[in-house]
Amino acid sequence: DGGITQSPKYLFRKEGQNVTLSCEQNLNHDAMYWYRQDPGQGLRLIYYSQIVNDFQKGDIAEGYSVSREKKESFPLTVTSAQKNPTAFYLCASSISTGNYEQYFGPGTRLTVT
Amino acid sequence: GENVGLHLPTLSVQEGDNSIINCAYSNSASDYFIWYKQESGKGPQFIIDIRSNMDKRQGQRVTVLLNKTVKHLSLQIAATQPGDSAVYFCAETNAGGTSYGKLTFGQGTILTVHP
Repeated sequence: DGGITQSPKYLFRKEGQNVTLSCEQNLNHDAMYWYRQDPGQGLRLIYYSQIVNDFQKGDIAEGYSVSREKKESFPLTVTSAQKNPTAFYLCASSISTGNYEQYFGPGTRLTVT
Repeated sequence: GENVGLHLPTLSVQEGDNSIINCAYSNSASDYFIWYKQESGKGPQFIIDIRSNMDKRQGQRVTVLLNKTVKHLSLQIAATQPGDSAVYFCAETNAGGTSYGKLTFGQGTILTVHP
């Protein structure tokens, strides 16, 4: 089955700890994206990557970091600098950044206390 | 500070009725639009898209209408079923610009279908 996987589905961390969220795709897509979703709100773009070893900040990149060492993988690290990290995090991919249909993973719900 | 207590627009319909979900966009340069469906606790799923050179596009049980004059998008769902209950998002981008596939998402509308 082709698709995007995110793990874990639920993640709990103590304040002040960095945490890395996993995103893997086997769709052979070049572009990958990370979004944050808060209750009652739409999706906000954190980072995106057009190709391997390249990524750009989205609208709310502060307190987050990413890497894109492999085409299939685009992990997101939520650092202790992120003031309000508790949220639902969604990873997406598209064939390229010129193709706008994005396929989403199931999401990771991060709770920081 | 953070926006708290935001309430999404809601639409409640009876099973079998037609549903119309609306979306206003603000960027007049946007020329490509997508509707997504998001069920509780899941990632959004693509429903249908439309480019700005069209004003209507039909899919299976769904129709998207685009009015560029007033920057308005709507999603019509025919014969709504309980499985259609979800949050529906519109998304826009300027495909001809330098946005590199960056979609801007609307706030979403909650659709509830009663049996």
